[in-house]
Amino acid sequence: GENVEQHPSTLSVQEGDSAVIKCTYSDSASNYFPWYKQELGKGPQLIIDIRSNVGEKKDQRIAVTLNKTAKHFSLHITETQPEDSAVYFCAASSTDSSYKLIFGSGTRLLVRP
Amino acid sequence: DAGITQSPRYKITETGRQVTLMCHQTWSHSYMFWYRQDLGHGLRLIYYSAAADITDKGEVPDGYVVSRSKTENFPLTLESATRSQTSVYFCASSDRAPGTEAFFGQGTRLTVV
Repeated sequence: GENVEQHPSTLSVQEGDSAVIKCTYSDSASNYFPWYKQELGKGPQLIIDIRSNVGEKKDQRIAVTLNKTAKHFSLHITETQPEDSAVYFCAASSTDSSYKLIFGSGTRLLVRP
Repeated sequence: DAGITQSPRYKITETGRQVTLMCHQTWSHSYMFWYRQDLGHGLRLIYYSAAADITDKGEVPDGYVVSRSKTENFPLTLESATRSQTSVYFCASSDRAPGTEAFFGQGTRLTVV
């Protein structure tokens, strides 16, 4: 089955700097890769996603890149702000009939003012 | 209220007791999921359901039972709670999966003593 590895487990950056979180996946059939943000005491919330027919997607300060050959994808946050501090999860799923969303272990991002 | 709600938010139970965590969504989403969140493991899929009366195992199903007699409800039962089942449990739902956003509840923090 699918296995998703996520690095780093913790990341501390200065406000205004960029942050990059990387994930690798094992199942070449996976073709949907979402990123979720989890704030303290809340459930995860989707912030951006990418499908396998697209190499890069941007939404304001966040972007996701996908390399299907290498089976890895990354989240990029530019001009970080204190409110970006949270736990971020990558995930992967296959769009066949046995749909399952498998998550990475999470990255705790701290943006220092 | 529209959305996905979990109850209870907090639960303490004793080893060996049966406990049921409730999940209710108002969107009529086809897919529903149960995850557990543990430090160092991220979110691990316990069970998922593609529609009423259709359920399937995820990564860590042992010790858990689910049912889905109605589209909007997806209860998770721990038949005989163990301390290793102490965790935060998240329910999620998704419309027209695969490859679409999953919406998460606020979570249930379960402690087994």
